[in-house]
Amino acid sequence: KAGVTQTPRYLIKTRGQQVTLSCSPISGHRSVSWYQQTPGQGLQFLFEYFSETQRNKGNFPGRFSGRQFSNSRSEMNVSTLELGDSALYLCASSTGLAGGSAQFFGPGTRLTVL
Amino acid sequence: QKEVEQNSGPLSVPEGAIASLNCTYSDRGSQSFFWYRQYSGKSPELIMFIYSNGDKEDGRFTAQLNKASQYVSLLIRDSQPSDSATYLCAVNTPGGSGTYKYIFGTGTRLKVLA
Repeated sequence: KAGVTQTPRYLIKTRGQQVTLSCSPISGHRSVSWYQQTPGQGLQFLFEYFSETQRNKGNFPGRFSGRQFSNSRSEMNVSTLELGDSALYLCASSTGLAGGSAQFFGPGTRLTVL
Repeated sequence: QKEVEQNSGPLSVPEGAIASLNCTYSDRGSQSFFWYRQYSGKSPELIMFIYSNGDKEDGRFTAQLNKASQYVSLLIRDSQPSDSATYLCAVNTPGGSGTYKYIFGTGTRLKVLA
Protein backbone atom coordinates (compact mmCIF):
# COMPACT_ATOMS: atom_id res chain seq x y z
CA LYS A 1 0.00 0.00 0.00
CA ALA A 2 1.13 3.51 -0.65
CA GLY A 3 1.88 5.55 2.41
CA VAL A 4 0.47 8.87 3.50
CA THR A 5 1.22 11.61 0.99
CA GLN A 6 1.33 15.33 1.61
CA THR A 7 1.54 18.22 -0.81
CA PRO A 8 3.29 20.50 -1.21
CA ARG A 9 6.47 19.38 0.54
CA TYR A 10 7.84 22.90 0.93
CA LEU A 11 6.13 26.27 1.01
CA ILE A 12 7.33 29.82 1.52
CA LYS A 13 4.76 32.48 2.33
CA THR A 14 4.75 35.99 3.77
CA ARG A 15 2.95 37.27 6.84
CA GLY A 16 -0.73 37.84 6.32
CA GLN A 17 -1.12 35.35 3.51
CA GLN A 18 -3.07 32.14 3.76
CA VAL A 19 -2.04 28.61 2.91
CA THR A 20 -3.73 25.28 2.18
CA LEU A 21 -1.99 21.98 2.77
CA SER A 22 -3.20 18.64 1.47
CA CYS A 23 -3.01 15.10 2.81
CA SER A 24 -3.97 11.78 1.26
CA PRO A 25 -4.21 8.97 3.80
CA ILE A 26 -3.27 5.34 3.38
CA SER A 27 -5.94 3.55 1.38
CA GLY A 28 -8.65 2.33 3.71
CA HIS A 29 -7.75 4.71 6.52
CA ARG A 30 -10.64 6.92 7.52
CA SER A 31 -9.03 9.07 10.21
CA VAL A 32 -6.68 11.92 9.44
CA SER A 33 -4.94 13.96 12.11
CA TRP A 34 -2.82 17.05 11.70
CA TYR A 35 0.15 18.10 13.80
CA GLN A 36 2.49 21.05 13.96
CA GLN A 37 6.11 20.31 14.80
CA THR A 38 8.57 22.97 15.90
CA PRO A 39 11.96 22.58 17.60
CA GLY A 40 10.75 24.30 20.74
CA GLN A 41 7.28 22.78 21.17
CA GLY A 42 7.63 19.34 19.62
CA LEU A 43 4.58 17.72 18.05
CA GLN A 44 1.40 19.64 18.77
CA PHE A 45 -2.00 18.20 17.86
CA LEU A 46 -4.13 20.40 15.63
CA PHE A 47 -7.24 18.38 14.82
CA GLU A 48 -8.56 14.99 13.78
CA TYR A 49 -11.12 14.21 11.10
CA PHE A 50 -13.05 11.01 10.72
CA SER A 51 -15.79 10.41 8.17
CA GLU A 52 -15.68 14.07 7.12
CA THR A 53 -16.32 15.29 10.67
CA GLN A 54 -13.90 16.99 13.02
CA ARG A 55 -13.73 14.67 16.02
CA ASN A 56 -11.09 16.36 18.11
CA LYS A 57 -9.31 19.67 18.24
CA GLY A 58 -6.11 20.93 19.85
CA ASN A 59 -5.42 24.33 21.35
CA PHE A 60 -4.77 26.37 18.24
CA PRO A 61 -6.42 29.63 17.20
CA GLY A 62 -9.29 29.70 14.76
CA ARG A 63 -6.89 30.70 11.97
CA PHE A 64 -6.16 27.00 11.72
CA SER A 65 -8.95 25.03 10.11
CA GLY A 66 -9.38 21.82 8.21
CA ARG A 67 -11.76 19.60 6.38
CA GLN A 68 -12.04 16.08 5.12
CA PHE A 69 -13.57 14.87 1.90
CA SER A 70 -15.61 11.77 1.21
CA ASN A 71 -12.52 9.94 -0.09
CA SER A 72 -10.82 10.64 3.30
CA ARG A 73 -8.38 13.13 1.80
CA SER A 74 -7.93 16.12 4.06
CA GLU A 75 -6.85 19.71 3.79
CA MET A 76 -5.80 22.17 6.41
CA ASN A 77 -5.86 25.90 6.01
CA VAL A 78 -4.00 28.59 7.88
CA SER A 79 -5.18 32.13 7.36
CA THR A 80 -3.42 35.40 8.20
CA LEU A 81 -0.05 33.72 8.54
CA GLU A 82 2.28 34.78 11.36
CA LEU A 83 6.03 34.27 11.66
CA GLY A 84 5.39 31.76 14.44
CA ASP A 85 3.47 29.53 12.06
CA SER A 86 6.74 28.45 10.46
CA ALA A 87 6.90 24.75 11.20
CA LEU A 88 6.73 21.25 9.82
CA TYR A 89 3.08 20.27 9.37
CA LEU A 90 2.49 16.57 9.60
CA CYS A 91 -0.53 14.56 8.65
CA ALA A 92 -1.15 11.10 10.09
CA SER A 93 -3.75 8.53 9.15
CA SER A 94 -5.22 5.59 10.98
CA THR A 95 -7.88 3.01 10.28
CA GLY A 96 -10.19 4.16 13.04
CA LEU A 97 -10.29 7.04 15.42
CA ALA A 98 -6.89 7.94 16.84
CA GLY A 99 -8.05 6.77 20.23
CA GLY A 100 -7.77 3.16 19.29
CA SER A 101 -5.49 2.94 16.29
CA ALA A 102 -1.86 3.43 15.46
CA GLN A 103 -1.14 6.48 13.36
CA PHE A 104 1.12 6.58 10.33
CA PHE A 105 2.72 9.83 9.30
CA GLY A 106 3.24 11.47 5.95
CA PRO A 107 6.53 13.19 5.00
CA GLY A 108 5.24 16.58 6.09
CA THR A 109 4.99 20.03 4.59
CA ARG A 110 7.64 22.49 5.70
CA LEU A 111 6.13 25.95 5.86
CA THR A 112 8.31 29.02 6.13
CA VAL A 113 6.66 32.35 6.84
CA LEU A 114 8.74 35.43 6.03
CA GLN B 1 3.36 19.12 34.77
CA LYS B 2 3.57 18.07 31.13
CA GLU B 3 1.15 15.37 30.04
CA VAL B 4 3.91 13.22 28.52
CA GLU B 5 7.49 13.64 29.66
CA GLN B 6 10.70 12.38 28.19
CA ASN B 7 14.30 13.22 28.92
CA SER B 8 15.54 15.20 25.92
CA GLY B 9 19.00 13.63 26.03
CA PRO B 10 21.18 13.11 24.18
CA LEU B 11 21.46 9.56 25.42
CA SER B 12 24.76 8.16 24.20
CA VAL B 13 25.38 4.40 24.15
CA PRO B 14 28.15 2.35 22.53
CA GLU B 15 27.36 0.15 19.57
CA GLY B 16 26.03 -3.24 20.69
CA ALA B 17 24.76 -1.97 24.04
CA ILE B 18 21.17 -1.76 25.28
CA ALA B 19 19.56 1.68 24.99
CA SER B 20 16.81 2.40 27.49
CA LEU B 21 14.37 5.21 26.73
CA ASN B 22 11.79 6.30 29.26
CA CYS B 23 8.49 8.12 29.22
CA THR B 24 6.04 9.11 31.95
CA TYR B 25 2.47 10.29 31.51
CA SER B 26 0.06 12.10 33.75
CA ASP B 27 -3.43 10.92 32.78
CA ARG B 28 -4.41 7.60 34.35
CA GLY B 29 -7.16 7.24 31.77
CA SER B 30 -4.60 6.78 28.99
CA GLN B 31 -5.06 3.45 27.29
CA SER B 32 -2.51 2.94 24.53
CA PHE B 33 1.11 3.87 24.15
CA PHE B 34 3.25 4.25 21.07
CA TRP B 35 6.90 4.64 20.25
CA TYR B 36 8.01 6.50 17.13
CA ARG B 37 11.45 7.03 15.70
CA GLN B 38 12.25 10.26 13.88
CA TYR B 39 15.42 10.79 11.92
CA SER B 40 16.59 14.34 11.44
CA GLY B 41 14.59 16.03 8.69
CA LYS B 42 12.16 13.12 8.38
CA SER B 43 8.70 12.36 9.72
CA PRO B 44 8.04 10.02 12.66
CA GLU B 45 7.77 6.32 11.91
CA LEU B 46 5.96 3.88 14.17
CA ILE B 47 8.19 1.37 15.94
CA MET B 48 5.67 -0.36 18.16
CA PHE B 49 2.74 0.09 20.48
CA ILE B 50 1.62 -1.46 23.74
CA TYR B 51 -1.76 -1.58 25.49
CA SER B 52 -1.30 -3.96 28.42
CA ASN B 53 0.96 -3.93 31.43
CA GLY B 54 4.16 -5.87 30.97
CA ASP B 55 6.59 -6.33 28.13
CA LYS B 56 6.09 -6.57 24.40
CA GLU B 57 8.94 -7.61 22.16
CA ASP B 58 9.44 -6.97 18.46
CA GLY B 59 12.85 -7.89 17.12
CA ARG B 60 15.49 -5.80 18.87
CA PHE B 61 12.84 -3.60 20.47
CA THR B 62 10.99 -4.20 23.74
CA ALA B 63 8.27 -1.91 25.05
CA GLN B 64 7.49 -2.02 28.76
CA LEU B 65 4.35 -0.60 30.34
CA ASN B 66 3.57 -0.02 33.99
CA LYS B 67 0.20 1.68 34.34
CA ALA B 68 0.36 1.86 38.12
CA SER B 69 3.54 3.92 37.89
CA GLN B 70 2.37 5.69 34.69
CA TYR B 71 5.57 4.74 33.00
CA VAL B 72 6.42 3.31 29.58
CA SER B 73 9.85 2.49 28.27
CA LEU B 74 11.55 1.29 25.11
CA LEU B 75 14.60 -0.96 25.16
CA ILE B 76 16.76 -1.30 22.07
CA ARG B 77 19.06 -4.30 22.19
CA ASP B 78 22.29 -4.52 20.21
CA SER B 79 22.11 -0.81 19.38
CA GLN B 80 23.43 0.18 15.97
CA PRO B 81 24.62 3.57 14.69
CA SER B 82 21.56 3.51 12.40
CA ASP B 83 19.40 3.65 15.55
CA SER B 84 20.66 7.17 16.19
CA ALA B 85 17.52 9.27 16.02
CA THR B 86 14.95 11.00 18.21
CA TYR B 87 12.48 8.65 19.85
CA LEU B 88 9.00 9.99 20.52
CA CYS B 89 6.62 8.56 23.06
CA ALA B 90 2.92 9.06 22.28
CA VAL B 91 0.09 8.42 24.69
CA ASN B 92 -3.58 8.09 23.88
CA THR B 93 -5.21 10.41 26.36
CA PRO B 94 -8.91 11.08 27.05
CA GLY B 95 -9.92 14.27 25.28
CA GLY B 96 -13.37 14.66 26.78
CA SER B 97 -16.80 13.51 25.56
CA GLY B 98 -15.52 9.98 25.09
CA THR B 99 -12.84 10.98 22.62
CA TYR B 100 -9.13 10.33 22.78
CA LYS B 101 -6.18 12.14 21.31
CA TYR B 102 -2.52 11.46 20.90
CA ILE B 103 -0.20 13.44 23.14
CA PHE B 104 3.46 13.31 22.18
CA GLY B 105 6.47 13.76 24.37
CA THR B 106 9.19 16.07 23.11
CA GLY B 107 11.41 13.10 22.37
CA THR B 108 14.74 11.66 23.48
CA ARG B 109 17.70 12.00 21.17
CA LEU B 110 19.68 8.77 21.00
CA LYS B 111 23.27 8.62 19.78
CA VAL B 112 24.82 5.21 19.18
CA LEU B 113 28.58 5.48 19.08
CA ALA B 114 30.48 3.22 16.69
